[in-house]
Formats: sequence, C-alpha cells, structure tokens
Amino acid sequence: GENVEQHPSTLSVQEGDSAVIKCTYSDSASNYFPWYKQELGKGPQLIIDIRSNVGEKKDQRIAVTLNKTAKHFSLHITETQPEDSAVYFCAASRGYNQGGKLIFGQGTELSVKP
Amino acid sequence: DGGITQSPKYLFRKEGQNVTLSCEQNLNHDAMYWYRQDPGQGLRLIYYSQIVNDFQKGDIAEGYSVSREKKESFPLTVTSAQKNPTAFYLCASRVRASGGTNTGELFFGEGSRLTVL
Repeated sequence: GENVEQHPSTLSVQEGDSAVIKCTYSDSASNYFPWYKQELGKGPQLIIDIRSNVGEKKDQRIAVTLNKTAKHFSLHITETQPEDSAVYFCAASRGYNQGGKLIFGQGTELSVKP
Repeated sequence: DGGITQSPKYLFRKEGQNVTLSCEQNLNHDAMYWYRQDPGQGLRLIYYSQIVNDFQKGDIAEGYSVSREKKESFPLTVTSAQKNPTAFYLCASRVRASGGTNTGELFFGEGSRLTVL
C-alpha cells in the first residue's frame, strides 16, 4: 500500500545551524506534499506544502524541495531557533483536491540547542 | 475564535470499557477526520467523514466507531474490541474537496490522550 518513510527520527542541531528532514513516498501518483509541525501537547499545524508541478517552495526560513523522479521531498530550516524545536511530520497524497487521504511519515523530533 | 475542540484532554479507562472522545469544530468545515498517534508511527487514519450522515473507514478502523449527525461534531468511540487503545487521538477538519486548486489546509485539534489501565 501507500507508504511514506521519514528520516531521521530525531535531529539535534545548534541554534543558527540548518536542519534537513527527508521523506520518500511509494505512490508515484502522489501530487501534494504538506509538512506539519507539532509542538509539545498540541495538534500538528501546517507550515508549508508543495504540489507536484513545483520543484521548490520557500517561506522565510523554511523551504521544501521535491524530486519526483526519485520520489522524495525534503524540509530545510535555516538559521534554526529554539522555538523551532518540535516534531515535524511530512505527508503525501494522491488527489488531495478530490478528497484523497494524507499518508503521514513517522515524524522527526527536532531539538535546537541554544 | 474558530477552531477544533477535543475533549477530554486526558482519559483513563479500564479494560473492557467503551469510551467516547468528543470533537467539535466551528470552522464550518464539511470534512472531519480521526487520527491515532503512537510514538515512531506517525499519524494513522481511523475514520473520516466528507459530509453529514456519511463516513468511511480509514486504515485502522477496527475496534472504533464514529457518527456524524451534525456538521460540527464527529465523536469517536473506542470500543472494548480495540486491542491496544492506549494512544494519543487527534481530530482534524478541512473544507470539502472541490477538485479546484485550493488544497484545503487540514486543521487539527489539541488531541485526547487515552490510557487503558
């Protein structure tokens, strides 16, 4: 069935450094790839998303890249800050606009040390 | 403020008991979802509903039941048939998919943590 693999499961960086989280997906028809951030004790919140017709998208310190050929996409956070510490989830969907389900990765716990 | 309210935040139950988790949204969203979150396993879909009085099984529906009698409410019952119910449960909602370019962000509640003693 459809599957999304996410790595690493934990990531520790020094404040100001960059962080990269990678996901691979199995369904080649997937065309929507959101990233969610979950702070302690809260529900996940969408931080950025990308569609399959775009290779890269950037929003201030965060960016997402998509390689459709290799079926993987990555989240890049630059100039990390302690408030970036959270669990990050990637997801993929085929036909999300038509009600398609999101398949989530396993999550990455990011820790930014001051 | 618009949002999704889940209750209770923490719940303890004995084995063999059914328990119902509440999810209410005032975002006027048609579609609602229940996810289960376990450490190292991401979010797995239990049930979802695209419209009132209709719902579909997700990937791990066994041992769970839902109802969708009102647009704003989508309660989840964890039955005694669920073999490993201890988990963090998340409710979410989004606008109904229309096939257009608006992808419709998925909004989550703050979750309910169920512990079976």
